Amino acid sequence: ETGVTQTPRHLVMGMTNKKSLKCEQHLGHNAMYWYKQSAKKPLELMFVYSLEERVENNSVPSRFSPECPNSSHLFLHLHTLQPEDSALYLCASSQDESSGANVLTFGAGSRLTVL
Amino acid sequence: GQNIDQPTEMTATEGAIVQINCTYQTSGFNGLFWYQQHAGEAPTFLSYNVLDGLEEKGRFSSFLSRSKGYSYLLLKELQMKDSASYLCAVMDSNYQLIWGAGTKLIIKP
Repeated sequence: ETGVTQTPRHLVMGMTNKKSLKCEQHLGHNAMYWYKQSAKKPLELMFVYSLEERVENNSVPSRFSPECPNSSHLFLHLHTLQPEDSALYLCASSQDESSGANVLTFGAGSRLTVL
Repeated sequence: GQNIDQPTEMTATEGAIVQINCTYQTSGFNGLFWYQQHAGEAPTFLSYNVLDGLEEKGRFSSFLSRSKGYSYLLLKELQMKDSASYLCAVMDSNYQLIWGAGTKLIIKP
């Protein structure tokens, strides 16, 4: 158990479906992140929340919609995805989002396959 | 642009030593991180270097040279469980993490 829990671990969806990924942390961290991990590519930062306010949105398509209802929970709502969106989606948390020694604690990820 | 380079894959023998290199070009520097990621699992933090030199943690050590834009992760007395991907990341002047694509380390008996 890493301290950051992601559900579901695996998700298969069609291009017209709507689904959500969930992330939960009880580490007392103030910042939460969504990353996309594709094979042999660097981690791509999608969204950052600090104290429940979105502070980063790296030109992510609107078919991905984040939600942070409180400092312990983060969601990624998915709709009308494309096959190229198939990837591992990692959630992470850290004490804060703007300090040097900003160590991230990651969840195990949600493996998404879009048919 | 900002860039992190590390080898895609390396192979080493159980009990041996392996060095995984990482070179970077970033807008400013606020530290370099190494993470380990076993297949199907979460990346986990290994080390953080912000000053030049060698940081040792048991079998793992991490080295940084800011003037050369270079770091390496040194793994000693390799064990089969060290088979994993190793991710290098640099924090730039805006406290943004720039990630390498990771090095897959294969340990053979």
